[in-house]
Amino acid sequence: NAGVTQTPKFRILKIGQSMTLQCTQDMNHNYMYWYRQDPGMGLKLIYYSVGAGITDKGEVPNGYNVSRSTTEDFPLRLELAAPSQTSVYFCASSQVLGRSYEKLFFGSGTQLSVL
Amino acid sequence: KNEVEQSPQNLTAQEGEFITINCSYSVGISALHWLQQHPGGGIVSLFMLSSGKKKHGRLIATINIQEKHSSLHITASHPRDSAVYICAVIIQGAQKLVFGQGTRLTINP
Repeated sequence: NAGVTQTPKFRILKIGQSMTLQCTQDMNHNYMYWYRQDPGMGLKLIYYSVGAGITDKGEVPNGYNVSRSTTEDFPLRLELAAPSQTSVYFCASSQVLGRSYEKLFFGSGTQLSVL
Repeated sequence: KNEVEQSPQNLTAQEGEFITINCSYSVGISALHWLQQHPGGGIVSLFMLSSGKKKHGRLIATINIQEKHSSLHITASHPRDSAVYICAVIIQGAQKLVFGQGTRLTINP
């Protein structure tokens, strides 16, 4: 199993450009998450999904959009990149059944710079 | 005040010392995760707890639901344990994760 795969690993954008960060998991997990980690800071939740077709906002959703058309894929879209979106982005997944929670699995991260 | 607070924020110790990292939270939770982030940036899940205690090698995690507190212990610490340790809780009914700010651990040889 590959686990959680994120692409690209690095990207530089100009202000106003758009891009999609890809995230795929092959563990059939129902829960998927997008986080950002600013330099020296903790992780902040951008969006999450509890299953295909269902997404919800986290702490810092402004400037981002997500979709979850399949169990495996959870892409994160930046429509109009701004310098404040310079950060490291992590995708994660987990299996949750009722009150039973399993470990989180993280992608390797995407380092994004907006100049 | 953050919903999840970790202490200490930074911890430096000598190889072999017993390490304790604390996590307190102010909300009802369904479960709590302990994560490890190495200097290269990758994040690995160490434990997922909803009650009691778990042990894996030299790592032990405990949780007290009534006191809204969890601890991560490392026995016989080693320089390779140097990393940022992060506590994250799943808020009851909200199904989303909230993270502590992390504890930066440095183990000197």
